[in-house]
This record gives sequence, structure tokens and C-alpha cells, in this order.
Amino acid sequence: GNSVTQMEGPVTLSEEAFLTINCTYTATGYPSLFWYVQYPGEGLQLLLKATKADDKGSNKGFEATYRKETTSFHLEKGSVQVSDSAVYFCALSPSWGSGGYQKVTFGTGTKLQVIP
Amino acid sequence: SQTIHQWPATLVQPVGSPLSLECTVEGTSNPNLYWYRQAAGRGLQLLFYSVGIGQISSEVPQNLSASRPQDRQFILSSKKLLLSDSGFYLCAWSGTGFGGNTEAFFGQGTRLTVV
Repeated sequence: GNSVTQMEGPVTLSEEAFLTINCTYTATGYPSLFWYVQYPGEGLQLLLKATKADDKGSNKGFEATYRKETTSFHLEKGSVQVSDSAVYFCALSPSWGSGGYQKVTFGTGTKLQVIP
Repeated sequence: SQTIHQWPATLVQPVGSPLSLECTVEGTSNPNLYWYRQAAGRGLQLLFYSVGIGQISSEVPQNLSASRPQDRQFILSSKKLLLSDSGFYLCAWSGTGFGGNTEAFFGQGTRLTVV
């Protein structure tokens, strides 16, 4: 079946540091890939997405590139802010013809804490 | 535009009491619906998903059940709550049909504390 693996957290960074959160996946065909963010006490919000190989999703200074050859979708940001402190989830949605339902599969989440 | 409503936002229930959490979606038809649980300090655990009325798939054996009495209504229930049922419950929906680009949209969550 499909699966998503994220790096273990928590990740603690100083403000303006560079961020990388690793995400790799296992799926047949060409799934769509997503990053979601969850701020304390809230539901998840879509941060960015990519629907085909070599696509780059970007939003609010965050970027992630769909790498088919390494089955990865790592999240990056050049300069994090305290307001970026949250839990980040990598997720995938199956592709056409892969069979089964359009069930979205999530990773376990990575908590990011940015300190001033 | 599509919206998802989930209630209540917080709930404190005694052990052994019943549970009913409700989720409704507006602005779309025949969505896939999901219930997730997030235990303190842990990731998302998919509990149930549904592709249509009366069609429920359970991901893990547990003390909970789900029902979908209407196309855009998804209910999470328990007959007798356990302490281990405490957590943050999230309802979500996504589009249906084959093909990629099917993102999930989440409600604001219900914080359940079983005492």
C-alpha cells in the first residue's frame, strides 16, 4: 500500500535559519504530493502541493520539489520565522489508474519550533 | 465554495459515556470523508474513511464507529468511552474519482478529554 515517511521531530531552529524537513513516499504510479501545516489547537491547512514529477510547489516562502527518482518531497524554507512554529505533515494522493479509493495518506508529522 | 463544519470544538466526557461527533460538508457532492485522531504529541491516525452513503472503511480496530447517513454528513460515535479515546479528532473531505490532485480539507477539530 501507499506510505509516507517523515523525519522525526521536534526540529528546533533559530529565527532566520534554513529549514529542511525530509519526506519520502511509497506509491504506485504518479501520486500527487502535499505539505500541510497545523498551528497549535487548529486543524490542518494545505501549505503547498505538486502533481507531477519535477513540479515545485511553493507558498509563504516554503518550497518542495517532486522528485520521482528519489521518491521524495522535502520541504524547505530559506529563513524561518517564529510564526512558522507548527507541525508539518507530508501527504500523498494516489494517481489515476492506481486502483482503490482516493484516500489521502499522511506522514506522522514533524514539529518545528523556531526560537527568537 | 466548499466548507467543512465540525462540532463540538471541545468536549469533556466521563469514562463509559457515549460519544457523537458530527461533521458536515457544504458546497460539494459525493465527497470522500475521513476521521482522523491525533493523540497528544503524535501524528495523524486515520480512523475511518467513506466513499459514499453507508460505505465505511475502518483502518484500525478500536472502540469507535462511524456512520454516513447522508452524502455530506459523517458521524463518529462510541457507546462507551475509554480514557485512551482522549485526543484531537479531525474530520476531512476530499474529492472523489480517479486522478491525482485530490487534496484533503480539514475541519477545525474536536478536543476530546475523557475523564
